[in-house]
Amino acid sequence: EVQLVESGGGLVQPGRSLKLSCVASGFTFSNYGMNWIRQAPGKGLEWVAYISSGSSYIYYAETVKGRFTISRDNAKNTLYLQMTSLRSEDTALYYCARPLYSSHGGFAYWGQGTLVTVSS
Amino acid sequence: DVVMTQTPVSMSVSLGGQVSISCRSSQSLVHNNGNTYLSWYIQKPSQSPQLLIYKVSNRFSGISDRFSGSGSGTDFTLKISRVEPDDLGVYYCGQGTQYPLTFGSGTKLEIK
Repeated sequence: EVQLVESGGGLVQPGRSLKLSCVASGFTFSNYGMNWIRQAPGKGLEWVAYISSGSSYIYYAETVKGRFTISRDNAKNTLYLQMTSLRSEDTALYYCARPLYSSHGGFAYWGQGTLVTVSS
Repeated sequence: DVVMTQTPVSMSVSLGGQVSISCRSSQSLVHNNGNTYLSWYIQKPSQSPQLLIYKVSNRFSGISDRFSGSGSGTDFTLKISRVEPDDLGVYYCGQGTQYPLTFGSGTKLEIK
């Protein structure tokens, strides 16, 4: 069974940093690109970042480019999102999501999310 | 960026009824490889989103045949037939053809 478990969320002041983790199990993690997707309270879904299976290809939403860094450790089956210069508008539930195929096919598997609250 | 426009914003349907949700993209979703990466998701109350349909019309594993997707290019539709209580939630379309990946703003389905 595919499982994705996010952690690392919490309350953080504007301008500070936070690092999210997503531990994967039930599939060969190193064969799949991975994504971070967020959802602000009461709002819709916003894709944040993608990293390919071998970390060769990385893409970001414009809203986080230059502030967030996606990375992965295939030996640890773990996906990361390093968030810096956090703003109130980054407050959201952050999901990691795996595509159906290696890089495409829709987001077939989602974690339960980890909540990031940016507030003074 | 590809803008995904979903309509309606919300709808109410009787049990056993049928609904259609429209999703239009600002650019063609046909990828260079010939595939069209348009997906549909449902987010049930207090749950993570779930994949329903991928590549326009393919049902994900375990998804009822009451759900069907159609369309091409920039115009797509999700149809739900014989609506059941468990179908309530917010439906999103999403494109995986071009980065940044984008979603529609959602359609809230309520049961009368």
